[in-house]
Amino acid sequence: EAGVTQFPSHSVIEKGQTVTLRCDPISGHDNLYWYRRVMGKEIKFLLHFVKESKQDESGMPNNRFLAERTGGTYSTLKVQPAELEDSGVYFCASSWRAYNEQFFGPGTRLTVL
Amino acid sequence: AQTVTQSQPEMSVQEAETVTLSCTYDTSESDYYLFWYKQPPSRQMILVIRQEAYKQQNATENRFSVNFQKAAKSFSLKISDSQLGDAAMYFCAYRRGNKLVFGAGTILRVKS
Repeated sequence: EAGVTQFPSHSVIEKGQTVTLRCDPISGHDNLYWYRRVMGKEIKFLLHFVKESKQDESGMPNNRFLAERTGGTYSTLKVQPAELEDSGVYFCASSWRAYNEQFFGPGTRLTVL
Repeated sequence: AQTVTQSQPEMSVQEAETVTLSCTYDTSESDYYLFWYKQPPSRQMILVIRQEAYKQQNATENRFSVNFQKAAKSFSLKISDSQLGDAAMYFCAYRRGNKLVFGAGTILRVKS
């Protein structure tokens, strides 16, 4: 069975541009999470979907970040416009139920120049 | 604030020896879950071991074990008989509701 996949693995963009990150959870997992790790710091929670609904978006830094999960399958995280401080590794995770083990994807490394 | 602190940014261990990674956390909850995750270079993060706070017995998974001290809010990971494949970034985390709260990570280097 395929694990959580993320695309792209790396993205380098200029400040002010737009970037869209994609996450495909494990099939059948209703819960999908986004996390971010800024260089050398802790991994921080961004938001949690249950199917297509946002259950908790308390970690989203500001309104330049928009997450969607159409049809309760894959999810996208759009950053528009990107700022230098948005650089980091964005992780996606999924779980069958909210309190089950979260399985992580390999992450997308975003560099904003 | 509820936080997780990993005080060792980097650790090294000789192959076949034992190493302990430290983690302290701060929570006001009485029942919670603690985790150690491993992220090998350029690969995805995987769960190494988990501990339920209401269980006094320390969790063990093969060569990996924890020393859970609830009163001290300490949750260290011991890796016995270290192998080259153990080289990775290790993250300590606890679950707060539906989300994981992570520490900053410890890079573990294994010397042959």
